[in-house]
Amino acid sequence: ETGVTQTPRHLVMGMTNKKSLKCEQHLGHNAMYWYKQSAKKPLELMFVYSLEERVENNSVPSRFSPECPNSSHLFLHLHTLQPEDSALYLCASSHGGWEQFFGPGTRLTVL
Amino acid sequence: QQQVKQSPQSLIVQKGGIPIINCAYENTAFDYFPWYQQFPGKGPALLIAIRPDVSEKKEGRFTISFNKSAKQFSLHIMDSQPGDSATYFCAASQPDSWGKLQFGAGTQVVVTP
Repeated sequence: ETGVTQTPRHLVMGMTNKKSLKCEQHLGHNAMYWYKQSAKKPLELMFVYSLEERVENNSVPSRFSPECPNSSHLFLHLHTLQPEDSALYLCASSHGGWEQFFGPGTRLTVL
Repeated sequence: QQQVKQSPQSLIVQKGGIPIINCAYENTAFDYFPWYQQFPGKGPALLIAIRPDVSEKKEGRFTISFNKSAKQFSLHIMDSQPGDSATYFCAASQPDSWGKLQFGAGTQVVVTP
């Protein structure tokens, strides 16, 4: 595997489900990010982890819970989501904050 | 409050034409301005980036023009090809921010044969 990988690529969940998104970077980077991409809107930064510590939580609702167990892995735990949370969730990584490399994203649909 | 404003929302040009995408910002602390290209079903990919100490940067057929006093920057795609059809995003970040990028809303570019 190379670059930034994300699993699953597609996810459909009900509002009462709990699921997790996984991101893995194979670039030796020290920072990882979660973004939300909705149609016709700018990419929204959700969380930033630097050296496995969260350095940014962009006023994201608590139904989204990130986890960064090491510098190569990032998770986004989801519970009791709303239909408006349906979007493409993108993971990215960088070295020191420059040149972010994005994964292909997880297309999430909340029913 | 959107910190980076991007226009136009969409653009159609013929092969060989020069699509131009413009971005404006207010925060004078921004010091890093990347452009990303996104194809359907893919994540954004870094295309080219510029810092405020230069007014222009070229990489292949892609050129960034930067006007610090006007707080504007633009992307030009020279000799555009149908394979350049994609959505383009400008972005900006401040120093010591661990890459917290503020993105524009995106421009969908279609290059017709």
